[in-house]
Amino acid sequence: SAVISQKPSRDICQRGTSLTIQCQVDSQVTMMFWYRQQPGQSLTLIATANQGSEATYESGFVIDKFPISRPNLTFSTLTVSNMSPEDSSIYLCSVRSGADQPQHFGDGTRLSIL
Amino acid sequence: GQQLNQSPQSMFIQEGEDVSMNCTSSSIFNTWLWYKQDPGEGPVLLIALYKAGELTSNGRLTAQFGITRKDSFLNISASIPSDVGIYFCAGQRGKTSYDKVIFGPGTSLSVIP
Repeated sequence: SAVISQKPSRDICQRGTSLTIQCQVDSQVTMMFWYRQQPGQSLTLIATANQGSEATYESGFVIDKFPISRPNLTFSTLTVSNMSPEDSSIYLCSVRSGADQPQHFGDGTRLSIL
Repeated sequence: GQQLNQSPQSMFIQEGEDVSMNCTSSSIFNTWLWYKQDPGEGPVLLIALYKAGELTSNGRLTAQFGITRKDSFLNISASIPSDVGIYFCAGQRGKTSYDKVIFGPGTSLSVIP
């Protein structure tokens, strides 16, 4: 399966600031996804980021708060904007190499907002 | 919306015991996935199931795709301390790029040496 690298692995940020999380994959993948995992919870899909099209956001997530870029088939970024303590979570990048293939995950970015 | 339920929510077992956990839904899924998440890491895919009734093994792990397509089971035989973690089931309704993967709430497994 693809090797998925996320940067940073963790960060502590001040409220009101923004942080951009990077996801790099060692092979070309058509589908990339961004998830949020709040402490002790399951994974919630934020958006789907397929190359060549605008990201598709799930209910409760908006582009102004979580802008996403997908410049090529191996890279994506998620920005968490104007952060508040409620944004403290693990943010996970996930990829699927084809529509009928299972999803694989990076190790996540652990974000704490003070 | 689509929801997955996992049981039990948590389990404490003795090393060497077998473990069973399941995942149910009110909707039909055409793909079932089982992941394990260790602290500080992302979920790792254990087993993927694509056909109703399918039984697939990966070492000491065995998973089954329920006949009704509304459930799946994961069994771990002869548990060891490194089996500790959170096990998530996930379902996907179709096999197109529009079909999202839905995650269950997880089963937390603790193994007592």
